[in-house]
Amino acid sequence: QKEVEQNSGPLSVPEGAIASLNCTYSDRGSQSFFWYRQYSGKSPELIMSIYSNGDKEDGRFTAQLNKASQYVSLLIRDSQPSDSATYLCAVTGRRALTFGSGTRLQVQP
Amino acid sequence: SAVISQKPSRDICQRGTSLTIQCQVDSQVTMMFWYRQQPGQSLTLIATANQGSEATYESGFVIDKFPISRPNLTFSTLTVSNMSPEDSSIYLCSVDASHEQYFGPGTRLTVT
Repeated sequence: QKEVEQNSGPLSVPEGAIASLNCTYSDRGSQSFFWYRQYSGKSPELIMSIYSNGDKEDGRFTAQLNKASQYVSLLIRDSQPSDSATYLCAVTGRRALTFGSGTRLQVQP
Repeated sequence: SAVISQKPSRDICQRGTSLTIQCQVDSQVTMMFWYRQQPGQSLTLIATANQGSEATYESGFVIDKFPISRPNLTFSTLTVSNMSPEDSSIYLCSVDASHEQYFGPGTRLTVT
């Protein structure tokens, strides 16, 4: 079992729709959870962090964490073509971050 | 956040040679990390570099192949030694700032 699992996609949504990206993790002791956006040929960019159960909103982005289910998600409202990228879920392990394989999001104009 | 620069941004090297990648941060940070991202793959941690101590390597990575220096709190280097085509990858420096990790722009390495 991978430590952090994501559906590789691509996830295709129309412009203006809500994109829902999901991630599960295996280490119950994980404390910090992050979503990174990575455009092709670029390095990962931190877009959201979440540390406690529930929702955290930042502009069009909402991160959701459920530690009991070992599940973290990212919602992108009013999706734009510029949101098309790979979204990486990352979880703090014993040392540094452990990354999922990423979900490729395509927002269709 | 932190502003991170890496040099070189890309390089093409011959097998058997070595390349040293530099990472500079605009503020003092305790923890710096080196990751590798192979084509179409996610990020894999190579090692954690703390100033004043030996780097800690992840399973599958060894110091002889990837020696790391961390002379101060704003700078680190990663050397890819005795390169083979399998080392072709993007190498990323990352720092922990207020318990969040930020990444440099990466070094794209091609080994021929």
